[in-house]
Amino acid sequence: EAGVAQSPRYKIIEKRQSVAFWCNPISGHATLYWYQQILGQGPKLLIQFQNNGVVDDSQLPKDRFSAERLKGVDSTLKIQPAKLEDSAVYLCASSRQLLGLAGDGSYNEQFFGPGTRLTVL
Amino acid sequence: GQSLEQPSEVTAVEGAIVQINCTYQTSGFYGLSWYQQHDGGAPTFLSYNALDGLEETGRFSSFLSRSDSYGYLLLQELQMKDSASYFCAVSGDDKIIFGKGTRLHILP
Repeated sequence: EAGVAQSPRYKIIEKRQSVAFWCNPISGHATLYWYQQILGQGPKLLIQFQNNGVVDDSQLPKDRFSAERLKGVDSTLKIQPAKLEDSAVYLCASSRQLLGLAGDGSYNEQFFGPGTRLTVL
Repeated sequence: GQSLEQPSEVTAVEGAIVQINCTYQTSGFYGLSWYQQHDGGAPTFLSYNALDGLEETGRFSSFLSRSDSYGYLLLQELQMKDSASYFCAVSGDDKIIFGKGTRLHILP
């Protein structure tokens, strides 16, 4: 099966500019995640969708970040305006369903895309 | 709130066994996952534990003790390609938290 697709792979912008990232999850996966990974740290969950509804966006800086998954398939994450501290890799992941609904590991695996490396100058 | 603790670095010799520990605090615990990430790459899934005990998948095993809020990843017959960062992640109450990662260095 095709993996999680993300674009662009790299983006360089100046602070206060806007940027958008796109993600297409694995076909049939109901749950989609956006993570921010700063160099040397673990991924930080920004937002989690179940189909086209938001499950958790408690760590999303809503004054500048927004995300949508209108048709319950692909998703976009936007930053407007960008700050220097937004420089990071933005990872999209998908899973068959919400984690924890089934004990089987195969239903609790998140598949990650290659990520978008954002540099804010 | 939720938090995770894991060692920042571990060093082991090729062919040996290494254990990476993870302690967590969370409400509404669902499960503990482990991911491997090579430099410049995306995290890849290794294991998921929802119940107490040991899960084995080839050279990798993962253990969970819910009463101790503790788990570990065990890597056997270490190979140079196992040099990577390893993250534990806890899911609970619709929230997912990743640890800061353990950098595994393997010596020949």
